[in-house]
Amino acid sequence: DQQVKQNSPSLSVQEGRISILNCDYTNSMFDYFLWYKKYPAEGPTFLISISSIKDKNEDGRFTVFLNKSAKHLSLHIVPSQPGDSAVYFCAARNSGGSNYKLTFGKGTLLTVNP
Amino acid sequence: SQTIHQWPATLVQPVGSPLSLECTVEGTSNPNLYWYRQAAGRGLQLLFYSVGIGQISSEVPQNLSASRPQDRQFILSSKKLLLSDSGFYLCAWSVGTSGARTQYFGPGTRLLVL
Repeated sequence: DQQVKQNSPSLSVQEGRISILNCDYTNSMFDYFLWYKKYPAEGPTFLISISSIKDKNEDGRFTVFLNKSAKHLSLHIVPSQPGDSAVYFCAARNSGGSNYKLTFGKGTLLTVNP
Repeated sequence: SQTIHQWPATLVQPVGSPLSLECTVEGTSNPNLYWYRQAAGRGLQLLFYSVGIGQISSEVPQNLSASRPQDRQFILSSKKLLLSDSGFYLCAWSVGTSGARTQYFGPGTRLLVL
């Protein structure tokens, strides 16, 4: 049972435009959400996070939005740059389970074209 | 600042051979440590996590094992590798006893079992 879903395996956008990466979850006990960025043959890098008590968190060009009623979060990158091309993973923490575990989606490959 | 090391970076092993992957963390004490695997075309699967020396929790039944002989050292092992063990192995760390929110990943080890 996949509790964190990234339904778009890939996304292609033009440099300077907005990139929107989506993530859906099924477990209402998730209370903290994270986005990671991963380049090929490297470990994922933490990008931005949001607590379930908030609906928006912004850090520079990156903004994460959380819609708890829809169990949906999204990552907005504005403006997109070629260096943003990578696989983006959505992850969630279960407040009702072990405090040490994160559940990851399968990732979305973002390609930003110059 | 904290750093995490993994080695080797790449490993090619025959089926049935043993495995030992090592992960060390610097710049922090009593970290929570994790082993993940990313198989081809799939997301990050949590294999093991550890909250202290000698304390190992297993997430997925398999022919792999983990050990934590020192506070900042985490080892992933197998006595006999299977073809299905091929993948990208990632070690991660986090801190905090009230819930490990953000996990930070190492560079990974690419394992190919032939």
